[in-house]
Amino acid sequence: GQQLNQSPQSMFIQEGEDVSMNCTSSSIFNTWLWYKQDPGEGPVLLIALYKAGELTSNGRLTAQFGITRKDSFLNISASIPSDVGIYFCAGYFNAGNMLTFGGGTRLMVKP
Amino acid sequence: GAVVSQHPSWVICKSGTSVKIECRSLDFQATTMFWYRQFPKQSLMLMATSNEGSKATYEQGVEKDKFLINHASLTLSTLTVTSAHPEDSSFYICSARDLILYGYTFGSGTRLTVV
Repeated sequence: GQQLNQSPQSMFIQEGEDVSMNCTSSSIFNTWLWYKQDPGEGPVLLIALYKAGELTSNGRLTAQFGITRKDSFLNISASIPSDVGIYFCAGYFNAGNMLTFGGGTRLMVKP
Repeated sequence: GAVVSQHPSWVICKSGTSVKIECRSLDFQATTMFWYRQFPKQSLMLMATSNEGSKATYEQGVEKDKFLINHASLTLSTLTVTSAHPEDSSFYICSARDLILYGYTFGSGTRLTVV
Protein backbone atom coordinates (compact mmCIF):
# COMPACT_ATOMS: atom_id res chain seq x y z
CA GLY A 1 0.00 0.00 0.00
CA GLN A 2 0.87 3.66 -0.08
CA GLN A 3 3.59 4.84 2.24
CA LEU A 4 4.78 8.21 3.31
CA ASN A 5 8.39 9.09 2.58
CA GLN A 6 10.11 9.24 5.93
CA SER A 7 13.73 10.23 6.45
CA PRO A 8 16.23 9.46 7.63
CA GLN A 9 15.82 5.71 7.80
CA SER A 10 18.17 5.50 10.75
CA MET A 11 20.20 7.75 13.00
CA PHE A 12 22.98 7.03 15.43
CA ILE A 13 23.59 9.96 17.73
CA GLN A 14 25.30 10.90 20.94
CA GLU A 15 23.28 11.36 24.09
CA GLY A 16 22.33 15.01 24.51
CA GLU A 17 22.13 15.75 20.81
CA ASP A 18 18.99 17.00 19.11
CA VAL A 19 17.27 14.87 16.48
CA SER A 20 15.09 15.78 13.54
CA MET A 21 13.11 13.54 11.21
CA ASN A 22 10.49 14.30 8.60
CA CYS A 23 7.80 12.85 6.42
CA THR A 24 6.51 13.92 3.04
CA SER A 25 3.50 12.89 1.04
CA SER A 26 2.44 13.33 -2.55
CA SER A 27 -1.11 13.96 -1.37
CA ILE A 28 -2.68 16.19 1.24
CA PHE A 29 -3.39 14.98 4.75
CA ASN A 30 -5.64 16.62 7.32
CA THR A 31 -4.12 14.80 10.26
CA TRP A 32 -0.53 13.88 10.97
CA LEU A 33 0.48 11.51 13.75
CA TRP A 34 3.85 10.57 15.18
CA TYR A 35 4.34 7.21 16.92
CA LYS A 36 7.22 5.52 18.71
CA GLN A 37 7.64 1.76 18.67
CA ASP A 38 9.85 -0.05 21.15
CA PRO A 39 11.15 -3.54 20.30
CA GLY A 40 8.42 -6.15 20.59
CA GLU A 41 5.72 -3.59 21.28
CA GLY A 42 3.01 -1.81 19.35
CA PRO A 43 3.34 1.85 18.31
CA VAL A 44 2.52 4.44 20.95
CA LEU A 45 1.18 7.85 19.97
CA LEU A 46 3.54 10.72 20.72
CA ILE A 47 1.95 13.72 19.05
CA ALA A 48 -1.15 14.35 16.93
CA LEU A 49 -1.45 17.32 14.57
CA TYR A 50 -4.79 18.43 13.18
CA LYS A 51 -4.20 21.83 11.58
CA ALA A 52 -1.84 23.04 8.86
CA GLY A 53 0.98 25.04 10.37
CA GLU A 54 0.32 23.65 13.85
CA LEU A 55 3.35 23.28 16.09
CA THR A 56 2.84 20.99 19.07
CA SER A 57 5.17 19.95 21.86
CA ASN A 58 5.16 16.98 24.20
CA GLY A 59 8.04 17.32 26.63
CA ARG A 60 11.26 17.19 24.64
CA LEU A 61 9.36 16.37 21.47
CA THR A 62 8.10 18.97 19.02
CA ALA A 63 6.21 18.27 15.82
CA GLN A 64 4.86 20.49 13.10
CA PHE A 65 2.14 20.06 10.52
CA GLY A 66 3.49 21.50 7.27
CA ILE A 67 1.67 24.47 5.79
CA THR A 68 1.21 22.64 2.49
CA ARG A 69 -0.37 19.71 4.41
CA LYS A 70 1.99 17.38 2.61
CA ASP A 71 4.72 17.16 5.20
CA SER A 72 5.49 17.02 8.89
CA PHE A 73 8.58 16.91 11.04
CA LEU A 74 9.43 15.67 14.52
CA ASN A 75 12.23 17.07 16.65
CA ILE A 76 13.63 15.49 19.80
CA SER A 77 15.77 17.74 21.93
CA ALA A 78 18.54 16.64 24.30
CA SER A 79 18.22 12.96 23.45
CA ILE A 80 18.53 10.33 26.16
CA PRO A 81 19.11 6.56 25.92
CA SER A 82 15.42 5.74 26.39
CA ASP A 83 14.64 7.62 23.18
CA VAL A 84 15.97 4.58 21.33
CA GLY A 85 13.32 3.00 19.14
CA ILE A 86 11.59 3.33 15.81
CA TYR A 87 9.63 6.48 15.08
CA PHE A 88 6.80 6.38 12.57
CA CYS A 89 4.87 9.17 10.98
CA ALA A 90 1.32 8.47 9.88
CA GLY A 91 -1.47 10.44 8.35
CA TYR A 92 -4.95 10.43 6.95
CA PHE A 93 -7.10 12.77 4.88
CA ASN A 94 -10.33 12.32 6.80
CA ALA A 95 -11.48 10.32 9.79
CA GLY A 96 -12.97 7.60 7.64
CA ASN A 97 -9.66 6.83 5.96
CA MET A 98 -7.11 4.28 7.01
CA LEU A 99 -3.77 5.39 8.35
CA THR A 100 -0.90 5.68 5.91
CA PHE A 101 2.49 5.01 7.49
CA GLY A 102 5.99 6.19 6.86
CA GLY A 103 8.79 3.68 6.61
CA GLY A 104 10.09 4.55 10.06
CA THR A 105 13.23 6.14 11.49
CA ARG A 106 15.36 3.91 13.67
CA LEU A 107 17.00 5.99 16.37
CA MET A 108 20.01 4.79 18.29
CA VAL A 109 21.48 6.86 21.12
CA LYS A 110 25.01 6.37 22.38
CA PRO A 111 25.40 7.12 26.07
CA GLY B 1 -6.63 7.50 27.52
CA ALA B 2 -7.72 4.88 25.04
CA VAL B 3 -6.28 1.42 25.70
CA VAL B 4 -6.18 -1.55 23.35
CA SER B 5 -5.35 -4.94 24.80
CA GLN B 6 -3.90 -7.59 22.50
CA HIS B 7 -3.38 -11.23 23.46
CA PRO B 8 -1.36 -13.28 23.41
CA SER B 9 1.84 -11.24 23.31
CA TRP B 10 3.68 -14.19 21.85
CA VAL B 11 2.79 -17.67 20.65
CA ILE B 12 4.65 -20.63 19.22
CA CYS B 13 2.67 -23.18 17.25
CA LYS B 14 3.27 -26.17 15.05
CA SER B 15 2.81 -26.05 11.29
CA GLY B 16 -0.72 -26.86 10.28
CA THR B 17 -2.36 -25.63 13.45
CA SER B 18 -4.46 -22.50 13.87
CA VAL B 19 -3.80 -19.58 16.16
CA LYS B 20 -6.25 -16.97 17.39
CA ILE B 21 -5.19 -13.45 18.36
CA GLU B 22 -7.56 -11.18 20.28
CA CYS B 23 -7.77 -7.41 20.19
CA ARG B 24 -9.93 -5.57 22.72
CA SER B 25 -10.65 -1.90 23.20
CA LEU B 26 -10.85 -1.57 26.96
CA ASP B 27 -12.36 1.85 27.57
CA PHE B 28 -13.93 2.86 24.29
CA GLN B 29 -16.04 1.45 21.51
CA ALA B 30 -14.47 0.78 18.16
CA THR B 31 -16.63 0.11 15.15
CA THR B 32 -13.45 -0.29 13.15
CA MET B 33 -10.32 -2.23 14.00
CA PHE B 34 -7.28 -2.79 11.84
CA TRP B 35 -4.86 -5.69 11.61
CA TYR B 36 -1.25 -5.14 10.61
CA ARG B 37 1.70 -7.36 9.96
CA GLN B 38 5.23 -6.18 10.55
CA PHE B 39 8.42 -7.80 9.31
CA PRO B 40 11.75 -7.07 10.98
CA LYS B 41 13.04 -3.55 10.36
CA GLN B 42 10.00 -2.69 8.28
CA SER B 43 6.95 -0.53 8.67
CA LEU B 44 3.48 -1.76 9.48
CA MET B 45 1.66 -3.40 6.59
CA LEU B 46 -2.13 -3.23 6.71
CA MET B 47 -3.69 -6.66 6.28
CA ALA B 48 -7.37 -5.95 6.76
CA THR B 49 -9.97 -3.58 8.12
CA SER B 50 -12.44 -5.11 10.52
CA ASN B 51 -15.89 -3.60 10.88
CA GLU B 52 -18.24 -4.58 13.68
CA GLY B 53 -21.02 -6.81 12.46
CA SER B 54 -19.82 -7.11 8.89
CA LYS B 55 -17.19 -8.87 6.85
CA ALA B 56 -13.65 -7.63 6.99
CA THR B 57 -12.07 -5.83 4.07
CA TYR B 58 -8.77 -7.39 3.09
CA GLU B 59 -5.86 -5.67 1.41
CA GLN B 60 -4.65 -6.95 -1.91
CA GLY B 61 -2.53 -10.05 -1.58
CA VAL B 62 -3.87 -11.05 1.85
CA GLU B 63 -5.65 -14.41 1.83
CA LYS B 64 -8.98 -14.03 3.59
CA ASP B 65 -9.37 -17.78 4.05
CA LYS B 66 -6.02 -17.97 5.79
CA PHE B 67 -6.39 -14.90 7.98
CA LEU B 68 -9.91 -15.09 9.39
CA ILE B 69 -11.15 -11.93 11.04
CA ASN B 70 -14.18 -11.67 13.28
CA HIS B 71 -15.49 -8.45 14.80
CA ALA B 72 -18.49 -9.59 16.79
CA SER B 73 -18.74 -6.66 19.17
CA LEU B 74 -17.75 -3.02 19.45
CA THR B 75 -14.84 -3.95 21.70
CA LEU B 76 -13.47 -7.20 20.31
CA SER B 77 -11.88 -8.30 17.05
CA THR B 78 -10.06 -11.57 16.50
CA LEU B 79 -7.56 -12.68 13.90
CA THR B 80 -7.19 -16.42 13.33
CA VAL B 81 -4.23 -17.65 11.36
CA THR B 82 -5.41 -20.96 9.93
CA SER B 83 -3.16 -23.85 8.95
CA ALA B 84 -0.14 -21.84 9.94
CA HIS B 85 3.16 -22.25 8.11
CA PRO B 86 6.65 -21.00 9.02
CA GLU B 87 6.31 -18.14 6.53
CA ASP B 88 3.38 -16.86 8.61
CA SER B 89 5.81 -16.16 11.44
CA SER B 90 5.70 -12.44 12.03
CA PHE B 91 4.69 -9.66 14.40
CA TYR B 92 0.95 -8.97 14.21
CA ILE B 93 -0.48 -5.72 15.56
CA CYS B 94 -4.06 -4.57 15.90
CA SER B 95 -5.37 -1.03 16.07
CA ALA B 96 -8.73 0.37 17.08
CA ARG B 97 -10.25 3.64 16.01
CA ASP B 98 -11.98 5.73 18.67
CA LEU B 99 -15.45 6.77 17.49
CA ILE B 100 -15.39 10.13 19.25
CA LEU B 101 -11.84 11.36 18.91
CA TYR B 102 -10.99 9.34 15.79
CA GLY B 103 -7.71 8.45 17.38
CA TYR B 104 -5.92 5.29 16.41
CA THR B 105 -4.66 3.23 19.35
CA PHE B 106 -2.47 0.21 18.86
CA GLY B 107 -2.26 -3.05 20.73
CA SER B 108 1.07 -4.28 22.05
CA GLY B 109 1.46 -6.80 19.26
CA THR B 110 1.69 -10.59 19.00
CA ARG B 111 4.88 -12.36 18.01
CA LEU B 112 3.87 -15.53 16.13
CA THR B 113 6.44 -18.22 15.54
CA VAL B 114 5.44 -21.27 13.51
CA VAL B 115 7.74 -24.26 13.83
